[in-house]
Amino acid sequence: EVQLVESGGGLVKPGGSLRLSCAASGFTFSSYNMNWVRQAPGKGLEWVSSISSTSNYIYYTDSLKGRITISRDNAENSLFLQMDSLRAEDTAIYYCARGSFQQLILSPFDYWGQGALVTVSS
Amino acid sequence: DIQMTQSPSSLSASVGDRVTITCRASQDTGISLAWYQQKLGTAPKLLLYAASRLESGVPPRFSGSASGTDYTLTISVLQPEDFATYYCQQYYRAPPTFGQGTKVEIK
Repeated sequence: EVQLVESGGGLVKPGGSLRLSCAASGFTFSSYNMNWVRQAPGKGLEWVSSISSTSNYIYYTDSLKGRITISRDNAENSLFLQMDSLRAEDTAIYYCARGSFQQLILSPFDYWGQGALVTVSS
Repeated sequence: DIQMTQSPSSLSASVGDRVTITCRASQDTGISLAWYQQKLGTAPKLLLYAASRLESGVPPRFSGSASGTDYTLTISVLQPEDFATYYCQQYYRAPPTFGQGTKVEIK
């Protein structure tokens, strides 16, 4: 059974940093591109970042570029999102999601984690 | 960026109704279009991809179609468990973008 479990969310002050993790199981993690998607309270879905299976290709949303870093550890079946200089508007649930097409970094997201809540407030 | 515009933003329907949700792309997305269902407090679930291909395990009452840059999600016979918010997403060109969502409520 495919499972994605996020951790590392919490309350952080504006300007602070947070590192989210996503532990993957039930599939060959190293064969799939992975993604982060966020959802602000009561709002819609917003793609945040994507990383290819071998980390050769990385993409970020313009609104967070320069403040976030996506990475992965295929040996540990883990995905990460380092978030710096956080702002109130970054408050959201952050989901990790698997890209369904192994060969294409642009693909539907077929499995999602339960999400990690990040709250940026003083 | 490709903008995805869903309509309506919300709708009220009864069990047994036929429901149609539309998603319009601001430019060609080559049928690289997915639909997701999200129930309150849970992660989104992939329903369809490539505009009309049903994800494994999704009931066949869900269907999708495409006409140019317009995409449609249809629920043929609405069931109680279908009350949720639905999102379209294009994955044709980076960055992948979502529609704003359509909330299907009980009438």
